[in-house]
Amino acid sequence: QAVLTQPSSLSASPGASASLTCTLRSGINVGTYTIYWYQQKPGSPPQYLLTYKSDSDKQQGSGVPSRFSGSKDASANAGILLISGLQSEDEADYYCMLWHSSAWVFGGGTKLTVL
Amino acid sequence: EVQLVESGGGLVQPGGSLRLSCAASGFSFSSYSMNWVRQAPGKGLEWVSYITSTSSTIYYADSVKGRFTISRDNARNSLFLQMNSLRAEDTAVYYCARESCSSISCNFDYWGQGTLVTVSS
Repeated sequence: QAVLTQPSSLSASPGASASLTCTLRSGINVGTYTIYWYQQKPGSPPQYLLTYKSDSDKQQGSGVPSRFSGSKDASANAGILLISGLQSEDEADYYCMLWHSSAWVFGGGTKLTVL
Repeated sequence: EVQLVESGGGLVQPGGSLRLSCAASGFSFSSYSMNWVRQAPGKGLEWVSYITSTSSTIYYADSVKGRFTISRDNARNSLFLQMNSLRAEDTAVYYCARESCSSISCNFDYWGQGTLVTVSS
């Protein structure tokens, strides 16, 4: 079972909100991990969005709009990237990442379609 | 302006070797840990290797351990990835990424444009 699991795709309408989940493997407690989020558009390298461990322990990437925010769902053992006020430019692949057992681990990515 | 420029990619036969380079500029290279991350065509991101600023600590993904070697030359502001015993599944765009740490966490704040490695006969 993969360390991080993300839904492969998600669709949402312009102006709506999108909640992208990153589920940690059973036995790995999301509460103890810092989750990182990246955005990647076709033909470009990934770009750092934000870091989230808790409401008092988080960081926004330079120039990243406040429409992008992080949170956790302890009951689902998942990290969440919330994008509010969706814009067409938000259409991209989104990856979560964490540091686990002396390795950086990426989730499989979620392709967000804004239509 | 921070810049990371990868080079050295190309077509190589299975079992062959390739050495990737990443030229850094616009920041104090010797102060930062660095990483290699790859992305197979149409697939997601896969972390490959990590090296601290002084090369004192190095980590590898299990998929490349024993075949790939990460190194750096701080005098030349360069990061390297020596790839041996290449397999078809190593085919990917390889990115170098700077790891920037704050008081609470570290993240990959700058990425190069990537260099394509194709392993095929």
